[in-house]
Amino acid sequence: QVQLVESGGGLVKPGGSLRLSCAASGFSFSDYYMTWIRQAPGKGLEWVSYIGDSGNTIYYADSVKGRFTISRDNAKNSLYLQMNSLRAEDTAVYYCARGGTNIVYWGQGTLVTVSS
Amino acid sequence: EVVMTQSPVTLSVSPGERATLSCRASQSVSSNLAWYQQKPGQAPRLLIYGASTRATGIPARFSGSGSGTEFTLTISSLQSEDFAVYYCQQYNNWPPITFGQGTRLEIK
Repeated sequence: QVQLVESGGGLVKPGGSLRLSCAASGFSFSDYYMTWIRQAPGKGLEWVSYIGDSGNTIYYADSVKGRFTISRDNAKNSLYLQMNSLRAEDTAVYYCARGGTNIVYWGQGTLVTVSS
Repeated sequence: EVVMTQSPVTLSVSPGERATLSCRASQSVSSNLAWYQQKPGQAPRLLIYGASTRATGIPARFSGSGSGTEFTLTISSLQSEDFAVYYCQQYNNWPPITFGQGTRLEIK
């Protein structure tokens, strides 16, 4: 069955960096677009970034452009999100998701807390 | 960016009754509209895509309708497990895909 398992979340100070990973299994990872979506505590869902199946097409939300970098390693069935210059407003649960439009498969999420 | 607005923010309904949730887009999104259900501590679950097509395994009591800018999610006879937060999401004009702010469906 399809599984997406995020890791790498934690507590980081403002201005710091963190790298999230998402390990995919149960499907042919290299055939699918992948997406990061986040949810601040008690708030709604916010799309963060998208990467095409080969990694050649990448999009970012304006709120993270220039600070976050999405990447993938199809040989390792893994998706990544490098987050730099973190701000308090980046505090959220970050979900890895398969697909780019309507999303059937989501990971369980990893919590990123940006606080001094 | 397409802004999605859901109403009401909170809906109180008794088990067994019908619930109707609304979603409005700031510009036409054709039928490229999805609905998700989210329970506390869980990831969202896709219910409806293409405005009216139920995702795999979703019970028939969930139905979606609408096109353009006005959409509705109807739950015909509420079960206890249906009380949750519901989000609409457009994927017609992306990036970015955009979500509504959510409707909390609570037990009356």
